[in-house]
Amino acid sequence: EAGVVQSPRYKIIEKKQPVAFWCNPISGHNTLYWYLQNLGQGPELLIRYENEEAVDDSQLPKDRFSAERLKGVDSTLKIQPAELGDSAVYLCASSFGSGTEQYFGPGTRLTVT
Amino acid sequence: DAKTTQPPSMDCAEGRAANLPCNHSTISGNEYVYWYRQIHSQGPQYIIHGLKNNETNEMASLIITEDRKSSTLILPHATLRDTAVYYCIVRVAYSGGGADGLTFGKGTHLIIQP
Repeated sequence: EAGVVQSPRYKIIEKKQPVAFWCNPISGHNTLYWYLQNLGQGPELLIRYENEEAVDDSQLPKDRFSAERLKGVDSTLKIQPAELGDSAVYLCASSFGSGTEQYFGPGTRLTVT
Repeated sequence: DAKTTQPPSMDCAEGRAANLPCNHSTISGNEYVYWYRQIHSQGPQYIIHGLKNNETNEMASLIITEDRKSSTLILPHATLRDTAVYYCIVRVAYSGGGADGLTFGKGTHLIIQP
C-alpha cells in the first residue's frame, strides 16, 4: 500500500513568489494534516481536515497561507507571497478517522531566497 | 495537551538496549503517551502508544510509571538505523470523529554508535 505522497520534494523560490505543495493521503484516510517544521524543531500543526472540511486552522497564517481539500482526498497548501522566514519543511500526514496513528509523508523542503 | 520533557541527545552502542526517558508530570487521566521518531530527511514515524499499562510491539516497548508522570521507550537491540530524533507526545485520543494534531517538542536525538 502506498504511503502519503507529497510533491515536490524540494522547492527553491525567490521571496514574494507564490508556491504550492501537494499531498495525496493514504487511501481511505479521511483526516489530513499539514505541519510546518523549522530546522532543529519538531513539526507544528498548520491545519487539519476532516474529509473536505477544515476543522482546525487556528495556526494557519491566513494572510499568506491557504489550503484546500476540495474532494476530501488530496490537498494543496499554498503560500502567496512567500517570505524568507517561510523556509522550512512542510509535512503532510493522514489518519483514519479516530485512528491513533498518523502517517507522515516525506515532506517538501522549501527554500526562499 | 500536557507538555513533555526529554533529554536533547543520547548515545547508545549498537546491539544494546536504548532507553529513552520522558517526563510528563502534568498528564491528565484521559491523555495517552505516544512515541514517534524522525529519521533524517524523512517524516515522523509512529512507534507506540499507551495509557497506563506497559505496551510492546515489534518496534519497541513502552514502560509507564504507576503515577503516569514519566515513561521510558525501550528499543531492545538498537541498530544504526535507529539513529533518529524520538518524540514523546501526550494527547487525548478521541473515539469517533477526528483526532487532533500532534504537539511535538524538540525530542531526543538518539545516536547509535557502531
